[in-house]
Amino acid sequence: EAQVTQNPRYLITVTGKKLTVTCSQNMNHEYMSWYRQDPGLGLRQIYYSMNVEVTDKGDVPEGYKVSRKEKRNFPLILESPSPNQTSLYFCASRSTSSYNSPLHFGNGTRLTVT
Amino acid sequence: AQKVTQAQTEISVVEKEDVTLDCVYETRDTTYYLFWYKQPPSGELVFLIRRNSFDEQNEISGRYSWNFQKSTSSFNFTITASQVVDSAVYFCALVRTNSGGYQKVTFGTGTKLQVIP
Repeated sequence: EAQVTQNPRYLITVTGKKLTVTCSQNMNHEYMSWYRQDPGLGLRQIYYSMNVEVTDKGDVPEGYKVSRKEKRNFPLILESPSPNQTSLYFCASRSTSSYNSPLHFGNGTRLTVT
Repeated sequence: AQKVTQAQTEISVVEKEDVTLDCVYETRDTTYYLFWYKQPPSGELVFLIRRNSFDEQNEISGRYSWNFQKSTSSFNFTITASQVVDSAVYFCALVRTNSGGYQKVTFGTGTKLQVIP
C-alpha cells in the first residue's frame, strides 16, 4: 500500500530535550515536506526537500532541522524543543513528474512540549 | 509573495443543504496550481481536487463541484445535498514553481464544516 508513515503519532517531551520525528514514504517520491498545523493558522510549511541532499526552508523553519540522506526518509529534528513548538505535525510527499501532482500526507504527529 | 484566504472559519448547515466554501488566492505567477484537501475528524489529510491556472474548466464529481475563476482569483468548492460525512476541515492550497524549479506550497487557514443531521 502506498503510504507516508510518521512516527510517533503522539509525543510529550520537556523543553530542551532533543527529539526526532521520522517520516518515510514508499512511493519513490522526490519531493518531501513538513508542515505544522495550529488552530487558526492552517498548515504552514517548515522545510521541504526536492530530492536527496536537497533541502530548503519553508515559511516557519526556526527551531527545526531536517536531513534527506535517503530518498524515502525525511526526519524532522527539534534540537531544543520549546513550548511554542507544541503542534500537530504532518509529513507529506509528492511526485515531481508533473507540477500538479498532489501531496500525500502522513497521519500526523501530535507533539506537546512542556 | 503568495497567499490563500479562506474567510469562512466555520460553517454549519443542516443535512441536505448545499454549501459553498470560498477560497481566494494571491500570486504574481502566471502558472500555478490550486488544490483542495479534506481533513475529517480522524485527522488525516485527503486530496480532493487540483486545477492548473491555465485550465478554467469547472469540475463536478458526484455531489462535489469546483468553480475556478481567474478574474476574481477564486477557487470555490460546493457540496450539494450535504451529508454528515462531509463534516470536516477543508483546506485550499496554492502551489507555484520558482525560478530554481522549487515548488512552494501555501495553504489557507481552513474552513470547518459541520453538517447537522
